[in-house]
Amino acid sequence: AQKITQTQPGMFVQEKEAVTLDCTYDTSDPSYGLFWYKQPSSGEMIFLIYQGSYDQQNATEGRYSLNFQKARKSANLVISASQLGDSAMYFCAMREAIYNQGGKLIFGQGTELSVKP
Amino acid sequence: GAVVSQHPSWVICKSGTSVKIECRSLDFQATTMFWYRQFPKQSLMLMATSNEGSKATYEQGVEKDKFLINHASLTLSTLTVTSAHPEDSSFYICSARPSGTSGESSYEQYFGPGTRLTVT
Repeated sequence: AQKITQTQPGMFVQEKEAVTLDCTYDTSDPSYGLFWYKQPSSGEMIFLIYQGSYDQQNATEGRYSLNFQKARKSANLVISASQLGDSAMYFCAMREAIYNQGGKLIFGQGTELSVKP
Repeated sequence: GAVVSQHPSWVICKSGTSVKIECRSLDFQATTMFWYRQFPKQSLMLMATSNEGSKATYEQGVEKDKFLINHASLTLSTLTVTSAHPEDSSFYICSARPSGTSGESSYEQYFGPGTRLTVT
């Protein structure tokens, strides 16, 4: 069963506007972490933001915020004030057993974001 | 800090030959490293977990005899694609987890820049 689902293969957003990238997950582990990564055309994976399953507040990092809805098992990424440099692939990922060093990252299918000038 | 390098960044090899890809943690020690494969416009698929001084743990469906992983030191893991075929052409990415980290950490896994393999 797919553990991380990103249902938007591609998204367009106008420069300076906000955009939400969807991510839903499935796990029975009470301790997990959710990650968002950006992958530009160069291929490097750039860490954006992290949300722990026990965190009470939504994570924020500059223009990035994570809309964490635990009951709905969703962890959407919100990018405010989009910039042309935000055009890239975005991956949602989950790590189960977050307190266990052996836990591995499972990635979603990715969303290709294009920012229009 | 927390830089991971990969060498080579790209390689072209002939079908039937073997190619080795190195993953190094430059400024930290990594007991655990991970190897991923990514096809164009697709997700990262974990191939194996590499543990220093012990055998790698391969994900289901990954041929361990074809993708040889050696984690001989706390800063180096290598992936050797043996008898490469055109279908092995892909983007290979490694990541490394700093030794001694435990519990939650948002930066607990650092990715290398990737190696693009083309088999002709």
